[in-house]
Amino acid sequence: GAVVSQHPSRVICKSGTSVKIECRSLDFQATTMFWYRQFPKQSLMLMATSNEGSKATYEQGVEKDKFLINHASLTLSTLTVTSAHPEDSSFYICSAREAGLSYNSPLHFGNGTRLTVT
Amino acid sequence: GENVEQHPSTLSVQEGDSAVIKCTYSDSASNYFPWYKQELGKGPQLIIDIRSNVGEKKDQRIAVTLNKTAKHFSLHITETQPEDSAVYFCAASISGFQKLVFGTGTRLLVSP
Repeated sequence: GAVVSQHPSRVICKSGTSVKIECRSLDFQATTMFWYRQFPKQSLMLMATSNEGSKATYEQGVEKDKFLINHASLTLSTLTVTSAHPEDSSFYICSAREAGLSYNSPLHFGNGTRLTVT
Repeated sequence: GENVEQHPSTLSVQEGDSAVIKCTYSDSASNYFPWYKQELGKGPQLIIDIRSNVGEKKDQRIAVTLNKTAKHFSLHITETQPEDSAVYFCAASISGFQKLVFGTGTRLLVSP
């Protein structure tokens, strides 16, 4: 149980274009999902907290207009990287916590999306 | 805010040996401490977690200990196997807050 599916697993796009990444909780509902970014051989950096039916909460230094987050249902959150540039190339990972559980309960992660901007 | 330090950054052991990874946290209000295993090109996978009301938890070859007074927690892997080779992350979350703060990661290499 507690499977988080992320799509696509890899994407290559040209500079200036936009890319959408989907994160789905397959067997549970998630009122909150989290988006992380990970550079090679580094830790996970939280970008934003995605709340179902409301605006996302962005971490300091993360451009909300560049990284658009939509959490339209209890099983789907999307991250859109707008006007992508080579410096946006990274590994993006989403995670979700089952709705109704306390904050000290497990976060389940997707398998990430490798974005390469050429 | 919470800060989590993790050591060592790399750890090489022989198959069958034990491996220990240590983390310290800064905020005494933290009450949930999960450990994740990340294999190359994949997302982190939860392997064990502990809450602040217990001092130790075991799951087969994996155990986690928590010392609230010293604000540190450790992951213990016994009888290591080559398939244990991965990057391990500790994390902590503060009571009442949703976010997890991750450590910097430990690359574990188990040689046959």
